Amino acid sequence: AQSVSQHNHHVILSEAASLELGCNYSYGGTVNLFWYVQYPGQHLQLLLKYFSGDPLVKGIKGFEAEFIKSKFSFNLRKPSVQWSDTAEYFCAVKTGGFKTIFGAGTRLFVKA
Amino acid sequence: DTGVSQNPRHKITKRGQNVTFRCDPISEHNRLYWYRQTLGQGPEFLTYFQNEAQLEKSRLLSDRFSAERPKGSFSTLEIQRTEQGDSAMYLCASTGAGSAEQYFGPGTRLTVT
Repeated sequence: AQSVSQHNHHVILSEAASLELGCNYSYGGTVNLFWYVQYPGQHLQLLLKYFSGDPLVKGIKGFEAEFIKSKFSFNLRKPSVQWSDTAEYFCAVKTGGFKTIFGAGTRLFVKA
Repeated sequence: DTGVSQNPRHKITKRGQNVTFRCDPISEHNRLYWYRQTLGQGPEFLTYFQNEAQLEKSRLLSDRFSAERPKGSFSTLEIQRTEQGDSAMYLCASTGAGSAEQYFGPGTRLTVT
């Protein structure tokens, strides 16, 4: 069965630290990849997406993600986090059908 | 606010009762999704509509669950004979034609006592 695995459930960082959140998926075909973010008290919203082309994609608020096909990975990065990045981050994969599969999420807490 | 709206935001019901949730997508979006999210998990796909047609339904959706989208606008999700295991956040999302970005609503939190 298709699945999405996020390596860390909770991450605590100090401001200005670098961030990398891991995401691996299990599906051998063509995929569309997403990172969604949910800030406290807000709706889920799209952070960035990959469909094709350059495997390094840039999103809002200085986030980027790299698609490594050979590793079935789509890790999220940010060079320097801010307190306002405190949120829950979800990796998601859409395969050939209509279904999008989400990972369990990573809660990031950034200490001011 | 022209985003996705969901009503009610919270619902507390007793086991065995029926509940119905409503989702109003962004007006020009023709695709609509329902998800269920439990504590510590990401959203789990339940069902998908393109216009008024229900094109995919998860195996997670038992016979007690039914969804409709009459006229391809708002959608309803009904749960019959609720069970405690149905307690969760029910999320709705919509997408415009030619786009893959899903816009999520605030969700309806269901508590079954």
